[in-house]
This record gives sequence, C-alpha cells and structure tokens, in this order.
Amino acid sequence: QKEVEQDPGPLSVPEGAIVSLNCTYSNSAFQYFMWYRQYSRKGPELLMYTYSSGNKEDGRFTAQVDKSSKYISLFIRDSQPSDSATYLCAMVPNFGNEKLTFGTGTRLTIIP
Amino acid sequence: DAGVTQSPTHLIKTRGQQVTLRCSPKSGHDTVSWYQQALGQGPQFIFQYYEEEERQRGNFPDRFSGHQFPNYSSELNVNALWLGDSALYLCASSLAGPSNEKLFFGSGTQLSVL
Repeated sequence: QKEVEQDPGPLSVPEGAIVSLNCTYSNSAFQYFMWYRQYSRKGPELLMYTYSSGNKEDGRFTAQVDKSSKYISLFIRDSQPSDSATYLCAMVPNFGNEKLTFGTGTRLTIIP
Repeated sequence: DAGVTQSPTHLIKTRGQQVTLRCSPKSGHDTVSWYQQALGQGPQFIFQYYEEEERQRGNFPDRFSGHQFPNYSSELNVNALWLGDSALYLCASSLAGPSNEKLFFGSGTQLSVL
C-alpha cells in the first residue's frame, strides 16, 4: 500500500464548477500538507500549504485537512480553463523537512 | 530573477550508459533536492544537498549519486542506466531553514532510456 493515495482521474468539469480533489494517507506522522499544480512539461508549483487539521483559503482555492480520517482535500471554486493541470498532494512529517511524499496526481480538465 | 534552471531539457540514452543532469538553483537559494517523476506518477525524492553534502536520501540505489558545487549548483549522476530509469527528473531549490513554502521546482529533464 502506498503511503499517499490519490485518484489519478482524469477529471473533466465544465467552466465555473466547483472542483474537489482528494488524497488519503496512511502515515499518521504526516503533519504538513501541500497541494501542487503541474502544467504539462513543467515542474510542480506550490498552491497551498496547511498544518494539521483545519481549513485554509486562498482566493478560489480552499485546502482542508482531516487528520482523524487521514484525508485531505483541495476545492477550486469558479473553475477556469487555466486551472486545467495535474494536481499533486504532498506531505511531510515535520516542519522544514523537504523530503516530500507525493500522491500520484489528478489530471483535471476544465471544459469552456 | 531566474528561477530553477535544469539542463538538458531532454536526453536519450541506452541501457548501461551513464548520465549527468545539471541544476542551477533559484537566486539566493542554497539547498537543492532531486526528484524522479515516472509517467503518471508523483515525484519521488532522490536526495538533497546542502553545504556540498548529501543531507537526506530517499529509497534509491547507489547508482544514483550527486554533487553540489560551491556556487550551490548541483549535478545528478545515474550509472548503469535501466529502462526503468526513464522519467522526468526534477530539481527543487530552497533556502535552508524551516519552511516548505520556499521549495521551487525547475521544469525538469526528460530522460529516455532505450
């Protein structure tokens, strides 16, 4: 079993829809959770960074962490065609640790 | 201000050969991490260099080695290439200190092993 599980999709939604992306994990030591966006032929770009359980909002993006269920989510409101990319969740056990454990990524397409 | 730059962008090798990939960190950064991303998978941590020394290592064999130079740039070397080494190799740089928010990735080197 992988430490981090993520539905690879692909996921296609119409422009303006709310998108929900999810990851589950098995290692209870993970404390810091990140979402990255990766466009084709590019490196991952950090979108959101959260610590432990709770919600964090940044513009159209909301990251949610539920440590009791070992489940994290990224919500995208008012989705735009420019949001079409692969979304990767990543996590580490302690602050400042750069040995990230990534999910497989979910490929998202926003249909105009 | 240039971000993380990697060279070459694409590379084709045959089994058994050796390859060297290069990375220049973002200006002001002193730490370099390398990741391997196979097709359809998330990146996997290979190792990290700080102050010219390997600081952390992932679950990769000794065929994977690296180096960091005094100007903070880094090389990833892979010996005795296997078909399974075909992947996108990503370099990420950061400034030493407790913040994962400072990790910046390059666009990667696409390695194909035939």
